[in-house]
Amino acid sequence: NAGVTQTPKFRILKIGQSMTLQCAQDMNHNYMYWYRQDPGMGLKLIYYSVGAGITDKGEVPNGYNVSRSTTEDFPLRLELAAPSQTSVYFCASSYADEQYFGPGTRLTVT
Amino acid sequence: QQQVKQSPQSLIVQKGGISIINCAYENTAFDYFPWYQQFPGKGPALLIAIRPDVSEKKEGRFTISFNKSAKQFSLHIMDSQPGDSATYFCAARNNAGNMLTFGGGTRLMVKP
Repeated sequence: NAGVTQTPKFRILKIGQSMTLQCAQDMNHNYMYWYRQDPGMGLKLIYYSVGAGITDKGEVPNGYNVSRSTTEDFPLRLELAAPSQTSVYFCASSYADEQYFGPGTRLTVT
Repeated sequence: QQQVKQSPQSLIVQKGGISIINCAYENTAFDYFPWYQQFPGKGPALLIAIRPDVSEKKEGRFTISFNKSAKQFSLHIMDSQPGDSATYFCAARNNAGNMLTFGGGTRLMVKP
């Protein structure tokens, strides 16, 4: 099992550009999540999904979009990138209690 | 209502000492309280977790103490080792869903 994988590992975007952060899991988990982690801060939930075709907003959804067409994949879309979106992004999945995290994507918007 | 407050922000402990990290919450609907450990450049990983029907859970050198009436819980790391140096996050899950609310994190450094 690869667990939760994320691509890319690093990315630099210019203000106003768009990109998609990829997330995949091979554990057949129903729940998937996107978090952002700012320096010295905890993780904030951006979006989550309870299964294919079902997504919902978390605490900080503005400026992001998600889709969940399959159980395995949960991409996060940034439209019109802003400096405030500079962060480390973590994808996670779970079946029951424990959430399994990917290695993260470090995004810088300049 | 959804906040989880964690302290201290940073902690330095000598090898062999006890590391203690505290968290407090307000929402009585939380039903699951995990602690995650994160090493630099890695994603968080579950360390230990507790449910509110018990007051303490121990796994090796790691213990969670839970005080339901005070709405507080803490992580104790006994015989702290340099390899324990990492950032620790407490979290709480609302029983209405499977979403975690995280504390702000504690950066632990264990000096040899």
